[in-house]
Amino acid sequence: AQSVTQLDSQVPVFEEAPVELRCNYSSSVSVYLFWYVQYPNQGLQLLLKYLSGSTLVKGINGFEAEFNKSQTSFHLRKPSVHISDTAEYFCAVSDQRWEPGAQKLVFGQGTRLTINP
Amino acid sequence: DAGVTQSPTHLIKTRGQQVTLRCSPKSGHDTVSWYQQALGQGPQFIFQYYEEEERQRGNFPDRFSGHQFPNYSSELNVNALLLGDSALYLCASSLERTPQFFGPGTRLTVL
Repeated sequence: AQSVTQLDSQVPVFEEAPVELRCNYSSSVSVYLFWYVQYPNQGLQLLLKYLSGSTLVKGINGFEAEFNKSQTSFHLRKPSVHISDTAEYFCAVSDQRWEPGAQKLVFGQGTRLTINP
Repeated sequence: DAGVTQSPTHLIKTRGQQVTLRCSPKSGHDTVSWYQQALGQGPQFIFQYYEEEERQRGNFPDRFSGHQFPNYSSELNVNALLLGDSALYLCASSLERTPQFFGPGTRLTVL
């Protein structure tokens, strides 16, 4: 079984400041890792993913995340945030073992990022 | 490419009724997953369909059922609705190892 813990339910920051959203996971097998963003009244949009290779992953909108296997973490960072980054952010994992149609995502509870002017 | 589409966008039902939600996957995708997102929570996996069969199921009662059609579109059915079924229902599609691509969701309110 897998689980995801997002350590902060809410993160307020000022515009143009850096931000880090924390995510830890637990799994007995190797996993793929994802960050999704949800704007108000919308579905989820993929920000970035870690499948293999370099542990530093770059995504859309200037976000990046670093996979740390020893600490089972996948923290999301952005060096300078904008008002438009205000949204809910979800960390998710899925099993690396692949069977057709058997890839579920396990999500964290989400972190609400609020950017203040 | 329209991406993943879901219908309806909003739905209001009363306790005990039945509801059917619909999803069309992104072009070229053959796997459809359904998630329930309660207010203020992360999405919870309901089930996943591939080749018209339910391949994996989350911790949801049998009141939740689904179907996948030959054109890969899917339906989610919920019987005997409870107040606790009020949530945003998200459909996601994928192809093999590609990340899941989500639709805008259907907001279900049970009164």
